[in-house]
Amino acid sequence: QEQLQESGPGLVKPSETLSLTCTVSGGSINNFYWSWIRQSPGKGLEWLGFIYYSGSTDYSPSLKSRLTISLDTSRNQFSLKLNFVTAADTAVYYCARNQLLPYDIFNLWGQGTMVTVSS
Amino acid sequence: EIVLTQSPGTLSLSPGERATLSCRASQSVTSNYLAWYQQKPGQAPRPLMFGASLRATGIPDRFSGSGSGTDFTLTISRVEPEDFAVYYCQQYGGSPITFGQGTRLEIK
Repeated sequence: QEQLQESGPGLVKPSETLSLTCTVSGGSINNFYWSWIRQSPGKGLEWLGFIYYSGSTDYSPSLKSRLTISLDTSRNQFSLKLNFVTAADTAVYYCARNQLLPYDIFNLWGQGTMVTVSS
Repeated sequence: EIVLTQSPGTLSLSPGERATLSCRASQSVTSNYLAWYQQKPGQAPRPLMFGASLRATGIPDRFSGSGSGTDFTLTISRVEPEDFAVYYCQQYGGSPITFGQGTRLEIK
């Protein structure tokens, strides 16, 4: 049964970099688009961006200057790096698989990981 | 960016009643690429509908979706106890993908 699992620090200091990894188990990272989504009380669900197994990406315009999504096909993992974080980046971060297209529904989700930005 | 506005914010119903949830877009959603999700506390959202009216895998037929352009509806024909949750709409007609703010379906 295919599963996604997020991992990374739960606490990040303001102005530092938030780094998360999503591990795909029970299936291959190939031939799919993979996305990051976050959920905060203030902004609800927010799409951050996607990466294709070939390496092509697209990002939300509001985060484009601070966000990088990458992947490691040999480890069946993809990652998120968000620079210069502030308290507004405090949220539950989910990794997810797109159903088929770059802009699509998300038919497989990780359980989510809470990230707090605080000194 | 397409803004999705969901109404009502909270819907209070008894099991067995019909639920009607609305999602209105600030501009027309390309190809009716509108999805609905259900989220329970401590869980990730689960897809219910896509393409406005197509049920996702494993979703019971008491859930149905309709609408086009800027106005979309999720209907639960007879609410079951396990349906009490928060429901979100999502448009994926282009970048950026956006979500509505959610409708909470609570037990009356």
